[in-house]
Amino acid sequence: SQQGEEDPQALSIQEGENATMNCSYKTSINNLQWYRQNSGRGLVHLILIRSNEREKHSGRLRVTLDTSKKSSSLLITASRAADTASYFCATDIRAAGNKLTFGGGTRVLVKP
Amino acid sequence: EAQVTQNPRYLITVTGKKLTVTCSQNMNHEYMSWYRQDPGLGLRQIYYSMNVEVTDKGDVPEGYKVSRKEKRNFPLILESPSPNQTSLYFCASSLGGTGGGYTFGSGTRLTVV
Repeated sequence: SQQGEEDPQALSIQEGENATMNCSYKTSINNLQWYRQNSGRGLVHLILIRSNEREKHSGRLRVTLDTSKKSSSLLITASRAADTASYFCATDIRAAGNKLTFGGGTRVLVKP
Repeated sequence: EAQVTQNPRYLITVTGKKLTVTCSQNMNHEYMSWYRQDPGLGLRQIYYSMNVEVTDKGDVPEGYKVSRKEKRNFPLILESPSPNQTSLYFCASSLGGTGGGYTFGSGTRLTVV
C-alpha cells in the first residue's frame, strides 16, 4: 500500500465552511508536503512541514504533523469555490533522498 | 517565470512507435523526476535524477528510459510503447537535498492504441 493515505477520499462542503483532511504514513520522514491538483492539471505545492515542526500556517491553510502517530492534517479555512480540487499529501522519506511518495488524494468539492 | 515545461500536452500514438516526452526546467534545480498518474493508483514515480548524468529507477521504471545530459532537461523515452502505458505523465523538479517542494509541469496525457 502507499506510504501516504489520505482520509476522507472525498469531501463536499459549502462555501465558507472549513475543510479538514488527514494523511497517515508508515515510515520516518524528513518532511511532509501537501499539494493541490485541479482536474487533469499539474500539482501545485502548498506547504511543507519538517519532521521537527508540529504546525505550520500559510494564508487559509493550516497543517499539523504528529510524528508519534505518523499523521498529518490539512485544514482549509473559510473555503471558496476555487478551492475545489484534489489534495495530496507526499512524504519525503529519510532513506530516499528527495523522493516524494504520494498518497491517493482527497477530492474536495466546495459548493457555492 | 520559474516553471517546468513539458511537451507535448497531449499525444496519441500506436503500439511500438518510439516517442519522447520532453521536460525542461529554468530554476537550476538539481533534482528531477517523472511520475505517472492513473485512476485508483495515484502518482507513481518512474525515474528520477539527482544531478547531471545521475539517474535512477523509481517504483515503475519498466518500459521507460530517461537521460540527464544537461541540468535543465530530463526527457522521458518510451522505446516501444504499449497500451498499459496510457496515462497522465508529470515531470517535476526541486532543489534537492531535504529541503524542497516540487515544481510540477502541466502534464502530458498519453494514449497508446
